[in-house]
Amino acid sequence: NAGVTQTPKFRVLKTGQSMTLLCAQDMNHEYMYWYRQDPGMGLRLIHYSVGEGTTAKGEVPDGYNVSRLKKQNFLLGLESAAPSQTSVYFCASTGYGLPGYEQYFGPGTRLTVT
Amino acid sequence: GENVEQHPSTLSVQEGDSAVIKCTYSDSASNYFPWYKQELGKGPQLIIDIRSNVGEKKDQRIAVTLNKTAKHFSLHITETQPEDSAVYFCAATLGDMRFGAGTRLTVKP
Repeated sequence: NAGVTQTPKFRVLKTGQSMTLLCAQDMNHEYMYWYRQDPGMGLRLIHYSVGEGTTAKGEVPDGYNVSRLKKQNFLLGLESAAPSQTSVYFCASTGYGLPGYEQYFGPGTRLTVT
Repeated sequence: GENVEQHPSTLSVQEGDSAVIKCTYSDSASNYFPWYKQELGKGPQLIIDIRSNVGEKKDQRIAVTLNKTAKHFSLHITETQPEDSAVYFCAATLGDMRFGAGTRLTVKP
C-alpha cells in the first residue's frame, strides 16, 4: 500500500513551457486535491475532484487545469508555465469530502519556472 | 471564504518544555479543525483533529483546544523532543480545507 504518490519529484521549466504532474492513490479514495505550498502562505487549494470524471476549482485555480479520468489518478496541468507558478505542489486524497476526514498527502513535487 | 491565521511563525523551545501554537479562523460555520505536521521533504501528516462539538482532545503528549465563541484553537505539545521539530499547520474546514501559514518548531536538545 503506497498511499499517495506523485511524479515527478522535481522539475525545472522555462517560462511558457507546459507540463503535467501525476498523482496516484491506491486507497480507493473518492476525493482528490491539488495544493500549492509557498513560503509563509501555507497550503492553498488549486483544484479538487469529488469522483472519477469530476473536477472543481479551488482557491487559486488560474493557470492550471486538471483531469480525473481514472479514480486512482488526478493530473495537474500547466499549459504555459510562469515564474509565479514556482512552488511545491502536493496532492492529497480522502475517502470522504465532508469535513472531519483526514487528507492523505503525497510527498510533493518541487517545480521551478525560470 | 474562510481565513485562518496562525501564530507564531517560528518557535524554539528546549527539549522537555511545552510548545503552544495558536490559530484563529473567521467563519463561525467551520466545523472541523485538523493539525498537520510536515517534516523536511515530506508531505503534511495529520497528528490530531477536533470537531466543533468538542472543546478539547488529547492524544499522549499532544492536545488541541477549541474556543468556538472566540473562534480560535490551539495545539499544545508537552515534554517536547527533538523529533517534534517540524513545521505545523492548522486548518479550518467549511467545505474545503483552509490552512494557516505554518509554524516552524525547533526543539533544542
